[in-house]
Amino acid sequence: AQSVAQPEDQVNVAEGNPLTVKCTYSVSGNPYLFWYVQYPNRGLQFLLKYITGDNLVKGSYGFEAEFNKSQTSFHLKKPSALVSDSALYFCAVRPITASGTYKYIFGTGTRLKVLA
Amino acid sequence: SQTIHQWPATLVQPVGSPLSLECTVEGTSNPNLYWYRQAAGRGLQLLFYSVGIGQISSEVPQNLSASRPQDRQFILSSKKLLLSDSGFYLCAWSKGADSNQPQHFGDGTRLSIL
Repeated sequence: AQSVAQPEDQVNVAEGNPLTVKCTYSVSGNPYLFWYVQYPNRGLQFLLKYITGDNLVKGSYGFEAEFNKSQTSFHLKKPSALVSDSALYFCAVRPITASGTYKYIFGTGTRLKVLA
Repeated sequence: SQTIHQWPATLVQPVGSPLSLECTVEGTSNPNLYWYRQAAGRGLQLLFYSVGIGQISSEVPQNLSASRPQDRQFILSSKKLLLSDSGFYLCAWSKGADSNQPQHFGDGTRLSIL
Protein backbone atom coordinates (compact mmCIF):
# COMPACT_ATOMS: atom_id res chain seq x y z
CA ALA A 1 0.00 0.00 0.00
CA GLN A 2 1.15 3.50 -0.76
CA SER A 3 1.94 5.59 2.28
CA VAL A 4 3.64 8.68 3.64
CA ALA A 5 5.35 8.65 7.02
CA GLN A 6 6.14 11.55 9.28
CA PRO A 7 7.93 9.77 12.11
CA GLU A 8 7.86 12.64 14.61
CA ASP A 9 4.61 13.77 16.16
CA GLN A 10 6.30 16.88 17.46
CA VAL A 11 9.56 18.71 16.86
CA ASN A 12 10.84 21.32 19.30
CA VAL A 13 13.51 23.79 18.26
CA ALA A 14 14.87 26.99 19.73
CA GLU A 15 14.30 30.22 17.85
CA GLY A 16 17.20 30.95 15.52
CA ASN A 17 18.25 27.32 15.27
CA PRO A 18 17.86 25.25 12.10
CA LEU A 19 14.86 22.98 11.87
CA THR A 20 14.13 19.73 10.07
CA VAL A 21 10.79 17.99 9.73
CA LYS A 22 11.12 14.49 8.33
CA CYS A 23 9.06 12.76 5.66
CA THR A 24 9.50 9.43 3.91
CA TYR A 25 7.22 7.84 1.40
CA SER A 26 6.42 4.46 -0.07
CA VAL A 27 4.94 5.10 -3.51
CA SER A 28 5.82 3.46 -6.79
CA GLY A 29 7.33 5.48 -9.58
CA ASN A 30 8.33 9.10 -9.29
CA PRO A 31 5.55 10.92 -7.48
CA TYR A 32 5.16 14.63 -7.01
CA LEU A 33 5.99 15.72 -3.45
CA PHE A 34 4.51 18.57 -1.42
CA TRP A 35 4.73 20.26 1.95
CA TYR A 36 1.88 22.15 3.58
CA VAL A 37 1.53 24.15 6.79
CA GLN A 38 -1.60 24.46 8.91
CA TYR A 39 -2.21 27.12 11.53
CA PRO A 40 -4.94 26.65 14.17
CA ASN A 41 -8.48 26.64 12.78
CA ARG A 42 -7.25 27.23 9.24
CA GLY A 43 -6.92 25.15 6.11
CA LEU A 44 -3.66 23.73 4.80
CA GLN A 45 -1.41 26.20 3.05
CA PHE A 46 0.97 25.10 0.30
CA LEU A 47 4.68 25.66 1.06
CA LEU A 48 6.67 23.97 -1.70
CA LYS A 49 6.82 21.06 -4.11
CA TYR A 50 9.28 18.78 -5.83
CA ILE A 51 8.62 17.70 -9.39
CA THR A 52 12.02 16.94 -10.91
CA GLY A 53 15.52 18.38 -11.16
CA ASP A 54 17.51 19.91 -8.32
CA ASN A 55 17.13 17.93 -5.11
CA LEU A 56 16.88 21.09 -3.00
CA VAL A 57 13.71 23.08 -3.57
CA LYS A 58 12.90 26.43 -2.06
CA GLY A 59 9.47 27.58 -1.01
CA SER A 60 7.55 30.15 0.96
CA TYR A 61 8.63 31.82 4.22
CA GLY A 62 12.27 30.69 3.91
CA PHE A 63 11.46 26.98 3.91
CA GLU A 64 13.25 24.50 1.71
CA ALA A 65 13.10 20.75 1.26
CA GLU A 66 15.63 18.14 0.30
CA PHE A 67 14.61 15.25 -1.92
CA ASN A 68 16.53 11.99 -1.66
CA LYS A 69 15.44 9.40 -4.19
CA SER A 70 17.42 6.48 -2.77
CA GLN A 71 15.99 7.05 0.70
CA THR A 72 12.56 8.06 -0.64
CA SER A 73 12.63 11.05 1.67
CA PHE A 74 11.57 14.66 1.37
CA HIS A 75 12.62 16.49 4.54
CA LEU A 76 11.51 20.04 5.22
CA LYS A 77 14.20 22.44 6.45
CA LYS A 78 14.70 26.01 7.48
CA PRO A 79 18.09 27.53 8.39
CA SER A 80 16.76 29.72 11.22
CA ALA A 81 13.45 29.02 12.93
CA LEU A 82 11.01 31.72 14.00
CA VAL A 83 8.42 31.49 16.76
CA SER A 84 5.82 32.23 14.08
CA ASP A 85 6.81 28.98 12.32
CA SER A 86 5.07 27.04 15.10
CA ALA A 87 2.31 25.11 13.35
CA LEU A 88 1.31 21.69 12.03
CA TYR A 89 3.20 20.52 8.95
CA PHE A 90 2.03 17.94 6.43
CA CYS A 91 3.97 16.07 3.79
CA ALA A 92 1.98 14.80 0.80
CA VAL A 93 2.64 12.87 -2.38
CA ARG A 94 0.69 12.59 -5.59
CA PRO A 95 1.38 9.25 -7.31
CA ILE A 96 1.66 9.21 -11.07
CA THR A 97 -0.11 6.28 -12.69
CA ALA A 98 -0.79 5.11 -16.22
CA SER A 99 -4.53 5.54 -15.72
CA GLY A 100 -4.28 8.88 -13.99
CA THR A 101 -4.90 9.62 -10.33
CA TYR A 102 -6.62 12.45 -8.57
CA LYS A 103 -5.70 11.54 -5.01
CA TYR A 104 -2.99 12.91 -2.78
CA ILE A 105 -1.56 10.83 0.07
CA PHE A 106 -0.87 12.76 3.26
CA GLY A 107 1.33 12.04 6.23
CA THR A 108 -0.14 12.28 9.71
CA GLY A 109 1.43 15.65 10.39
CA THR A 110 4.25 16.95 12.60
CA ARG A 111 3.67 19.68 15.13
CA LEU A 112 6.55 22.16 15.11
CA LYS A 113 7.09 24.19 18.25
CA VAL A 114 9.65 26.96 18.12
CA LEU A 115 10.71 28.15 21.57
CA ALA A 116 11.66 31.76 22.21
CA SER B 1 -6.63 34.34 -9.04
CA GLN B 2 -8.39 31.29 -7.67
CA THR B 3 -10.18 31.26 -4.35
CA ILE B 4 -12.05 28.64 -2.37
CA HIS B 5 -14.81 29.36 0.10
CA GLN B 6 -16.31 27.14 2.75
CA TRP B 7 -19.21 27.88 5.02
CA PRO B 8 -20.17 27.96 7.73
CA ALA B 9 -16.91 28.31 9.65
CA THR B 10 -18.38 26.67 12.74
CA LEU B 11 -21.49 24.62 13.30
CA VAL B 12 -23.04 23.03 16.36
CA GLN B 13 -25.70 20.45 15.62
CA PRO B 14 -27.68 17.95 17.72
CA VAL B 15 -27.35 14.23 17.12
CA GLY B 16 -29.82 13.07 14.49
CA SER B 17 -30.09 16.41 12.71
CA PRO B 18 -29.28 16.89 9.01
CA LEU B 19 -26.13 18.52 7.68
CA SER B 20 -25.20 20.55 4.65
CA LEU B 21 -21.73 22.06 4.20
CA GLU B 22 -20.96 24.01 1.08
CA CYS B 23 -17.75 24.69 -0.80
CA THR B 24 -17.31 26.87 -3.86
CA VAL B 25 -14.29 27.63 -6.01
CA GLU B 26 -13.78 30.78 -8.05
CA GLY B 27 -11.33 31.63 -10.80
CA THR B 28 -10.91 28.21 -12.37
CA SER B 29 -13.01 25.75 -14.35
CA ASN B 30 -13.46 21.98 -14.09
CA PRO B 31 -11.49 21.61 -10.87
CA ASN B 32 -11.10 18.36 -8.99
CA LEU B 33 -12.88 18.81 -5.69
CA TYR B 34 -12.27 17.03 -2.39
CA TRP B 35 -13.77 16.71 1.08
CA TYR B 36 -11.50 15.77 3.98
CA ARG B 37 -12.15 15.31 7.68
CA GLN B 38 -9.49 16.11 10.22
CA ALA B 39 -9.84 14.78 13.76
CA ALA B 40 -8.24 16.54 16.72
CA GLY B 41 -5.84 18.62 14.61
CA ARG B 42 -4.06 15.62 13.17
CA GLY B 43 -4.15 13.66 9.95
CA LEU B 44 -6.52 14.11 7.03
CA GLN B 45 -9.05 11.50 6.01
CA LEU B 46 -10.24 11.74 2.42
CA LEU B 47 -14.02 11.40 2.37
CA PHE B 48 -15.04 12.17 -1.21
CA TYR B 49 -13.62 13.54 -4.40
CA SER B 50 -15.16 14.65 -7.67
CA VAL B 51 -13.64 15.14 -11.11
CA GLY B 52 -16.76 16.57 -12.73
CA ILE B 53 -20.40 17.57 -12.28
CA GLY B 54 -22.39 14.69 -10.81
CA GLN B 55 -19.29 12.48 -10.47
CA ILE B 56 -18.58 11.48 -6.89
CA SER B 57 -16.07 8.96 -5.58
CA SER B 58 -16.51 7.82 -1.99
CA GLU B 59 -13.45 6.79 -0.09
CA VAL B 60 -14.86 5.68 3.24
CA PRO B 61 -18.30 4.15 3.88
CA GLN B 62 -20.02 6.35 6.42
CA ASN B 63 -22.92 8.51 7.38
CA LEU B 64 -22.09 11.23 4.87
CA SER B 65 -22.73 11.90 1.20
CA ALA B 66 -21.45 14.44 -1.30
CA SER B 67 -22.88 16.10 -4.36
CA ARG B 68 -21.58 18.35 -7.10
CA PRO B 69 -24.52 20.14 -8.65
CA GLN B 70 -22.39 22.73 -10.46
CA ASP B 71 -18.85 22.78 -11.80
CA ARG B 72 -17.42 24.75 -8.90
CA GLN B 73 -19.76 23.73 -6.09
CA PHE B 74 -19.25 20.79 -3.78
CA ILE B 75 -21.67 19.91 -0.98
CA LEU B 76 -21.24 17.55 1.95
CA SER B 77 -24.46 16.23 3.50
CA SER B 78 -25.89 13.92 6.08
CA LYS B 79 -29.48 12.96 6.80
CA LYS B 80 -28.83 12.15 10.47
CA LEU B 81 -25.67 13.22 12.25
CA LEU B 82 -23.84 10.94 14.67
CA LEU B 83 -21.55 11.96 17.52
CA SER B 84 -18.67 10.48 15.54
CA ASP B 85 -19.27 13.00 12.74
CA SER B 86 -17.68 15.73 14.84
CA GLY B 87 -14.49 17.14 13.36
CA PHE B 88 -12.89 19.73 11.15
CA TYR B 89 -14.07 19.44 7.55
CA LEU B 90 -11.86 20.74 4.79
CA CYS B 91 -12.67 21.28 1.15
CA ALA B 92 -9.90 21.41 -1.44
CA TRP B 93 -9.45 21.74 -5.18
CA SER B 94 -6.79 20.78 -7.69
CA LYS B 95 -6.38 20.64 -11.45
CA GLY B 96 -6.10 17.70 -13.78
CA ALA B 97 -5.07 14.08 -13.45
CA ASP B 98 -1.45 13.42 -12.55
CA SER B 99 -0.95 17.15 -12.27
CA ASN B 100 2.12 18.46 -10.48
CA GLN B 101 0.05 21.24 -8.97
CA PRO B 102 -0.78 21.19 -5.25
CA GLN B 103 -4.20 21.08 -3.71
CA HIS B 104 -5.64 24.32 -2.43
CA PHE B 105 -7.65 24.23 0.76
CA GLY B 106 -10.49 26.23 2.21
CA ASP B 107 -10.42 27.37 5.82
CA GLY B 108 -12.63 24.55 6.99
CA THR B 109 -15.81 24.04 8.97
CA ARG B 110 -15.56 22.96 12.59
CA LEU B 111 -18.53 20.71 13.28
CA SER B 112 -19.52 19.85 16.83
CA ILE B 113 -22.26 17.33 17.52
CA LEU B 114 -24.10 17.54 20.82
